[in-house]
Amino acid sequence: DAGITQSPRHKVTETGTPVTLRCHQTENHRYMYWYRQDPGHGLRLIHYSYGVKDTDKGEVSDGYSVSRSKTEDFLLTLESATSSQTSVYFCAIRTGTYEQYFGPGTRLTVT
Amino acid sequence: KQEVTQIPAALSVPEGENLVLNCSFTDSAIYNLQWFRQDPGKGLTSLLLIQSSQREQTSGRLNASLDKSSGRSTLYIAASQPGDSATYLCAAGPSGGYQKVTFGTGTKLQVIP
Repeated sequence: DAGITQSPRHKVTETGTPVTLRCHQTENHRYMYWYRQDPGHGLRLIHYSYGVKDTDKGEVSDGYSVSRSKTEDFLLTLESATSSQTSVYFCAIRTGTYEQYFGPGTRLTVT
Repeated sequence: KQEVTQIPAALSVPEGENLVLNCSFTDSAIYNLQWFRQDPGKGLTSLLLIQSSQREQTSGRLNASLDKSSGRSTLYIAASQPGDSATYLCAAGPSGGYQKVTFGTGTKLQVIP
């Protein structure tokens, strides 16, 4: 599993509140990714990071921001949660041979 | 823009049958093709990774092939078991300088005892 953990694993929050999801890896991989998975849409890339303080947008980045102050941690923040952000969020790392490994996911419900 | 398609969306087979799952992609200039398994409510588990220079990879009862020229990959499962029931996703690796991996929407497999 490439030593990837996500926290929290489940969260219920109210519309308009900020939410931060954490991804932690233990193997010092340079590339880290945040995806969301929704029925009918599959996995969609939100943001990714290619090093400490180096991040870029994915295809569904509106309403999300990320930060990476340490190699091992990649944070995803919903600035003001909306019901459309109810989803399952997955963190992933990429190895040197371009193989991706995923964390266990965070199920987020915005009421 | 890369597009990845997996057909069928769902498949039901009797236990013991050999089966093939299909994955097609539109941009053949990919770096690799990766197959995943996802159980309900769980994360994605990597099954096989095929680099662009390879034509196939094998792991146990699984064999994945890659034909870049036709934009297709297949995942062959031999002697299917009920424990193989899951959703299988393929992901086309980055092409050119773009780091994005494009996922298919998956094939949901049910193996009936």
